[in-house]
Amino acid sequence: AQSVSQHNHHVILSEAASLELGCNYSYGGTVNLFWYVQYPGQHLQLLLKYFSGDPLVKGIKGFEAEFIKSKFSFNLRKPSVQWSDTAEYFCALLGSARQLTFGSGTQLTVLP
Amino acid sequence: NAGVMQNPRHLVRRRGQEARLRCSPMKGHSHVYWYRQLPEEGLKFMVYLQKENIIDESGMPKERFSAEFPKEGPSILRIQQVVRGDSAAYFCASSPGDREAFFGQGTRLTVV
Repeated sequence: AQSVSQHNHHVILSEAASLELGCNYSYGGTVNLFWYVQYPGQHLQLLLKYFSGDPLVKGIKGFEAEFIKSKFSFNLRKPSVQWSDTAEYFCALLGSARQLTFGSGTQLTVLP
Repeated sequence: NAGVMQNPRHLVRRRGQEARLRCSPMKGHSHVYWYRQLPEEGLKFMVYLQKENIIDESGMPKERFSAEFPKEGPSILRIQQVVRGDSAAYFCASSPGDREAFFGQGTRLTVV
């Protein structure tokens, strides 16, 4: 079985603060990892993805994530958040059985 | 290449009626996922289908809910005898199987 854990349910930051959202997964095989973002009232959109190669992946809007295999982690980071980053962020795992599993999500609120 | 199309966007049903939610995957995508999102809650996996096959329905309630993805036509999520607790946003995602999934805009079901 595969699972994804996002331990931070709600994060509140001021503009220009740095962001790190945790994501840990459980799966014994080769993984593909993703971060999706859901802005208020909208559908999920892909922020970034990791398939292989450089474990530090860069996505849209200044986001990046680092795959650390030994820690089973794929944390999302951004050096300086903006008010417009207020959204819900979902980490997801695609295992070899091709099932896509999501974490429970982290609500990010950025205060102006 | 059109994105994942879900219809209707909004659906209102009275208790006891049937709800049929449609999802047309992106061209070339043979994998479809359905998720339910309740207010203030995360994304809950319901069912994973490939063409003409249900691969994993472990997230789907045993009664009243069914899903299909026929050889031709959209994937259908069917909810019989709806109850107030079925009110939620239902999202469909499609993928080619070995890449990221793309989401539709969702169907917001309201049971009155």
